[in-house]
Amino acid sequence: NAGVTQNPKFQVLKTGQSMTLQCAQDMNHNSMYWYRQDPGMGLRLIYYSASEGTTDKGEVPNGYNVSRLNKREFSLRLESAAPSQTSVYFCASSVEDRFNYGYTFGSGTRLTVV
Amino acid sequence: AQSVTQLDSHVSVSEGTPVLLRCNYSSSYSPSLFWYVQHPNKGLQLLLKYTSAATLVKGINGFEAEFKKSETSFHLTKPSAHMSDAAEYFCVVSGGFNTNAGKSTFGDGTTLTVKP
Repeated sequence: NAGVTQNPKFQVLKTGQSMTLQCAQDMNHNSMYWYRQDPGMGLRLIYYSASEGTTDKGEVPNGYNVSRLNKREFSLRLESAAPSQTSVYFCASSVEDRFNYGYTFGSGTRLTVV
Repeated sequence: AQSVTQLDSHVSVSEGTPVLLRCNYSSSYSPSLFWYVQHPNKGLQLLLKYTSAATLVKGINGFEAEFKKSETSFHLTKPSAHMSDAAEYFCVVSGGFNTNAGKSTFGDGTTLTVKP
């Protein structure tokens, strides 16, 4: 039982390059989330998907796009990476967005933009 | 509106002594409150949660937290620290059990160091 799987685990990009962060969960959860973690700032929500077929902006959506490919998979795309997007990105899932049972997190993607 | 404040950015204890990590919150609604732990280079793991049932909540690895509405606090405690408890801890608030999980607010984290 893998839980939430993120790929890649590490990535270095040049300014202006694009990339997609992959996330998949095998717990049959309805809701999925993308967070970024910066030192001393806790976690900030980028985008979330309450259910398959829906996506919504979080606190810091600028510079990102998402796709809820199916119930299992939720990808995050950086179209033109900027140094300010250097961060650790976490994908999370929960049973239902309507009721807060808590999250299950992946192990993160450490992204550096140079 | 809601917010969460972790009162200490760093806490250092000796192995075998008690742990206290402090969290205050504000919320317009009856809140749900959570503590997560993050070990180095790992994702966050749910330690425990309060969702308007018993005010004293027991979690994994011997941790517990008490919801005190009058003090708007949800402090995390453990009677005896273990070396493996060294990690970063996050307090999280949301507007209530039936409030969207995506509306959660994370604290800035408390780094716990355990000395031998």
